Amino acid sequence: DAGVIQSPRHEVTEMGQEVTLRCKPISGHNSLFWYRQTMMRGLELLIYFNNNVPIDDSGMPEDRFSAKMPNASFSTLKIQPSEPRDSAVYFCASSGASGGNNEQFFGPGTRLTVL
Amino acid sequence: GQNIDQPTEMTATEGAIVQINCTYQTSGFNGLFWYQQHAGEAPTFLSYNVLDGLEEKGRFSSFLSRSKGYSYLLLKELQMKDSASYLCAVRFYGNNRLAFGKGNQVVVIP
Repeated sequence: DAGVIQSPRHEVTEMGQEVTLRCKPISGHNSLFWYRQTMMRGLELLIYFNNNVPIDDSGMPEDRFSAKMPNASFSTLKIQPSEPRDSAVYFCASSGASGGNNEQFFGPGTRLTVL
Repeated sequence: GQNIDQPTEMTATEGAIVQINCTYQTSGFNGLFWYQQHAGEAPTFLSYNVLDGLEEKGRFSSFLSRSKGYSYLLLKELQMKDSASYLCAVRFYGNNRLAFGKGNQVVVIP
């Protein structure tokens, strides 16, 4: 099993540019999560999908952030326009059915630097 | 609310035992997870508690008291590779959402 796949692993961009982060969840998992991690705020949930449908996007900081999941094997997180304060590590995670001890499996993350 | 509180850093000697605490204030509690995160890497699952008591998995054990909103992770026979951040996360009833604490950095020294 390849695990959760994220791309790119590193992204350096200039303020104002559009950034698109990509995620492929583990095959068969029906929940997908986008997190942001910084030293100051720790690991924060941005949005999560269940069966490709956004369930909770209360963590999305503002309208500059958007996420889509067009099918069960792909999701994107887009920031437009990007700002220096968006610099963080963005993790995608997936899990199986709700409940029980279905842990979330994390991808390797995308380290985003906005100059 | 979902205040999840963890102390920030501790140092321990190889072979020793260390206890990492986590307190939470949340409604709709439906399970607590512990994750390990090495520097520059993704979090990886360690343990899960939903009922009161102790869950043991090899050198790692996790305890939960729901009435006290309290959990701890016990690391025994510490090894150098255990140097990492340990994150507790609370799941909410009715969905798969996890709220993470900021993590406790454990540094293992020879």
